[in-house]
Amino acid sequence: DSGVTQTPKHLITATGQRVTLRCSPRSGDLSVYWYQQSLDQGLQFLIQYYNGEERAKGNILERFSAQQFPDLHSELNLSSLELGDSALYFCASTDGYEQFFGPGTRLTVL
Amino acid sequence: EDKVVQSPLSLVVHEGDTVTLNCSYEVTNFRSLLWYKQEKKAPTFLFMLTSSGIEKKSGRLSSILDKKELFSILNITATQTGDSAIYLCAFISNDMRFGAGTRLTVKP
Repeated sequence: DSGVTQTPKHLITATGQRVTLRCSPRSGDLSVYWYQQSLDQGLQFLIQYYNGEERAKGNILERFSAQQFPDLHSELNLSSLELGDSALYFCASTDGYEQFFGPGTRLTVL
Repeated sequence: EDKVVQSPLSLVVHEGDTVTLNCSYEVTNFRSLLWYKQEKKAPTFLFMLTSSGIEKKSGRLSSILDKKELFSILNITATQTGDSAIYLCAFISNDMRFGAGTRLTVKP
């Protein structure tokens, strides 16, 4: 158990819908990363937050947005979902030395 | 365009063998390189390398970065079946980019 929690574990929804994925970092970690892993694209970095502020942006689509709240949990919002958005979404937190991944949310878009 | 290439793509060895996994990169504004192990689900962080020539070691695993030749290697000695996994490297620059991974299979 890494100490990073993600909810929900699985999510099945239809095209065009909007979902919110939630991540709670390890206690004391200020930084949260979001990743998408699909079979054809591998692991892709989406976005990083540090203490509530966006720190770095990767291959995140305009339909996706994220934020980090004062209690340091983070949410990834995915809207106008397409079939190709089906993937595992991981978040990770870091203490500045190591990075700890959550168990992931498997999103299936039908 | 920034890129990272891992080789080999796949490797099958027997227990006790030593393996070397390669990660080469081309990136502007390089900050650090990371190695991960991914078995069934979430990746597990192994190493972060920022300085050239300094070996990082954890048990049977070690890694080193060469910033002049733009590559890193991950060594695993005395491999065990539990080392079977996909090993990913990634660099951090202005964002973060992952390689496709090396699938390592260790047979008994």
